This record gives sequence, C-alpha cells and structure tokens, in this order.
Amino acid sequence: TQLLEQSPQFLSIQEGENLTVYCNSSSVFSSLQWYRQEPGEGPVLLVTVVTGGEVKKLKRLTFQFGDARKDSSLHITAAQPGDTGLYLCAGGDTDKLIFGTGTRLQVFP
Amino acid sequence: DAGVIQSPRHEVTEMGQEVTLRCKPISGHDYLFWYRQTMMRGLELLIYFNNNVPIDDSGMPEDRFSAKMPNASFSTLKIQPSEPRDSAVYFCASSLYVQGTEYGDTQYFGPGTRLTVL
Repeated sequence: TQLLEQSPQFLSIQEGENLTVYCNSSSVFSSLQWYRQEPGEGPVLLVTVVTGGEVKKLKRLTFQFGDARKDSSLHITAAQPGDTGLYLCAGGDTDKLIFGTGTRLQVFP
Repeated sequence: DAGVIQSPRHEVTEMGQEVTLRCKPISGHDYLFWYRQTMMRGLELLIYFNNNVPIDDSGMPEDRFSAKMPNASFSTLKIQPSEPRDSAVYFCASSLYVQGTEYGDTQYFGPGTRLTVL
C-alpha cells in the first residue's frame, strides 16, 4: 500500500513567519501534486511537479520534488492569514492520486 | 463554466436509512472520483470511473456502499443501510485525461456533502 506521510500534522504561526511542510513516502511516484483546502470547500490544486529535483515557485510558495521522487516539500515565505488551510500532497499513481495525511496550517495576524 | 456540482451539501439521517449523494462532473471530463474525508483517516479514494466505467472500487469500505455513473454527466454514491461511522464529508472530483501525459491530471473537486448519521 502506498502511503504519503505529511509533517507536521498541525502548524500555528504568526503572520510573517516562514514554514516548511514535508511529504514523505517509501514509494516512487510519477508526479507529486500539492492541494490547498479551505473550510467548507474541496481541495484546489496549487502545483504539479514531475521531475526528480524539480523546484517550482508560486509567489511566496516554493515546492520541491525529491531527487528519488519519493518526497516533496512546500516552503512558505512570510506567511499571511490568507495561507490558512489544509495542505495536501498527492502522489500520481497511473490515473489516480494517493493523498497524504494533510497539514493543517493556521496563520494568525 | 460551472465546476463540479454536488448535492445535497448537508445530509442528516438516522442509522439504517438509505443515503444517496449526487455529483455532476465538469462537462467533457472523462474521469470521476469519489472520496471520503474524516479527521481520523484523511482523504480516502472510494471509487473512480473512466468514461462512465468503474475502474477501481477497492476503496469502497463494504457492500453497504455502491456507486453508479449512468452517463457522462451524473454519478451517485449510495449507502444502504447507513451507520454512524459513515459520518464524513464526501467529495466528488473530475479530471480530463490529456494524451501524452504520464502523470495524474488535475482533479477538480466539488464542495462536498457533509453526511451525519445519527
């Protein structure tokens, strides 16, 4: 069974702080996606990484895919209250996704 | 363009009753996924369809759960009989396969149905 473990599970920080969320697996994935979910809504795709070692930036968010394509990280610079939500990584497995355990982020003003 | 539509948004029922959740995927999408989300177990894939055909239902918890996709624009997830442990948020998502793409495509999620079984 493919599993994606995320850490930390919960994170509460002040506005302006930096943070990193990790997504780890013992399995190799063809791709890695990151989604953000806000209360009362479904997850929304942030980014897809497909090449080992790939780094993508989305404004203050930096995503990295591990060289072996088993892990990924999400770094947020100068977090803002609008970044609050549940962050989910998801590994590509042919035509479906395996979702991680999630990191719940709360950013206080 | 409308996104994935789910109904109802909230459902409260009593143990033993039949529950039917509905989903309308994004027009033109050829994959449809049903997920269940709880605090304890996170987001779990229950079943998914490709061109209306069920491909993998290994995530369906037990025979009380069934899903159908009679046409490209409609799918249902039925629980009969329902139990309190079925309480969760159920999401439907759809995606479009892009020829030559070797990885999982973007999944577009509906707003979810919050099910409470008393």
